[in-house]
Amino acid sequence: DTGVSQNPRHKITKRGQNVTFRCDPISEHNRLYWYRQTLGQGPEFLTYFQNEAQLEKSRLLSDRFSAERPKGSFSTLEIQRTEQGDSAMYLCASSLAGSPLHFGNGTRLTVT
Amino acid sequence: DQQVKQNSPSLSVQEGRISILNCDYTNSMFDYFLWYKKYPAEGPTFLISISSIKDKNEDGRFTVFLNKSAKHLSLHIVPSQPGDSAVYFCAKAAGNKLTFGGGTRVLVKP
Repeated sequence: DTGVSQNPRHKITKRGQNVTFRCDPISEHNRLYWYRQTLGQGPEFLTYFQNEAQLEKSRLLSDRFSAERPKGSFSTLEIQRTEQGDSAMYLCASSLAGSPLHFGNGTRLTVT
Repeated sequence: DQQVKQNSPSLSVQEGRISILNCDYTNSMFDYFLWYKKYPAEGPTFLISISSIKDKNEDGRFTVFLNKSAKHLSLHIVPSQPGDSAVYFCAKAAGNKLTFGGGTRVLVKP
């Protein structure tokens, strides 16, 4: 169990650019989640995959956001045309059914 | 729509004493609650959970209490240790996702 791995750890980008983050879950976990956390707040749910199927998306996930999990293993989260309000910590988590979520250390995005 | 609320943003406690963290929720449909702990520059880590069929769950120094009539849960840490200094989040499980409170920062003073 090497834990949930997220890359990059930090990303600084200019407004209007596209960014992509990667998450490698714990290998035997079939469930994968993306959350976003801003300063002073708790993590907010963005989206959830079971295997390769994206089963739930938050209304927080605007059309500029897209997440994929093509083979049911790693996942990517892409933000197009970034805005300053997208600056946040993006957290990935994985789990088995009925077990607690295991979070990665996140990708901190700064949009200048 | 704050379904999970932690009203105390911070808590300072002396080493060896009890830390009590509180959490209120607004919808009784949700029947499984969790506490997570977060150190700076790390993701949240699972600490302890409780189902609504129980009113107490204990794991070592950590005990979670659930008061369903008051829609309130609390986390007790006793005795508190300097390594417990972190941000603590309560969360409720609803379907396939967790809804988190805003967190309470705990500082344990030696």
